[in-house]
Amino acid sequence: AQSVTQLDSHVSVSEGTPVLLRCNYSSSYSPSLFWYVQHPNKGLQLLLKYTSAATLVKGINGFEAEFKKSETSFHLTKPSAHMSDAAEYFCVVIYSSASKIIFGSGTRLSIRP
Amino acid sequence: DTGVSQNPRHKITKRGQNVTFRCDPISEHNRLYWYRQTLGQGPEFLTYFQNEAQLEKSRLLSDRFSAERPKGSFSTLEIQRTEQGDSAMYLCASSLGGRSYEQYFGPGTRLTVT
Repeated sequence: AQSVTQLDSHVSVSEGTPVLLRCNYSSSYSPSLFWYVQHPNKGLQLLLKYTSAATLVKGINGFEAEFKKSETSFHLTKPSAHMSDAAEYFCVVIYSSASKIIFGSGTRLSIRP
Repeated sequence: DTGVSQNPRHKITKRGQNVTFRCDPISEHNRLYWYRQTLGQGPEFLTYFQNEAQLEKSRLLSDRFSAERPKGSFSTLEIQRTEQGDSAMYLCASSLGGRSYEQYFGPGTRLTVT
């Protein structure tokens, strides 16, 4: 079955340290992959997308993600966390031309001062 | 700002009543999606439209749920005979179409069934 797994439900880092949020998906010919962020009481905002161009994708607010086909992973990283990054992050996979859209269960990112 | 809008933002209803939500997508977007999100969970896909055609429906969309997009612009999601388990945030998103699948989300409608 097609699936998306966010390996950590909660990640806590200190301000100024790197962030790594992990996402794995079940294999498919050509999935489209996205990361979205949801701040408390705010709508979902697109961070970045992968659609079979460059494997390293840059997004907003200094976030990046690398598509690794051999590992079926699309992990989200940021070199230096900021307090404003505290939010819920969702990995999203779209299979087969939008006929199957799957959100991961989310990772809550907390930033320690 | 001409983003995705949803109305109402909040709805409280008694069990057994019918409710209808509206979504207005970004004007040039021809795909429109509905999701449901419960507390602590990721959004669950319900259905999507390409223009006025409803192309995909999740098993989550029971026969009490119906969605329409009559003129390929705004969409409505109706829930008949609401149950307490329907309490959730209902999200709408739109995308440009073609080979572009990035979705832009509205603020959601929070439904509380008492």
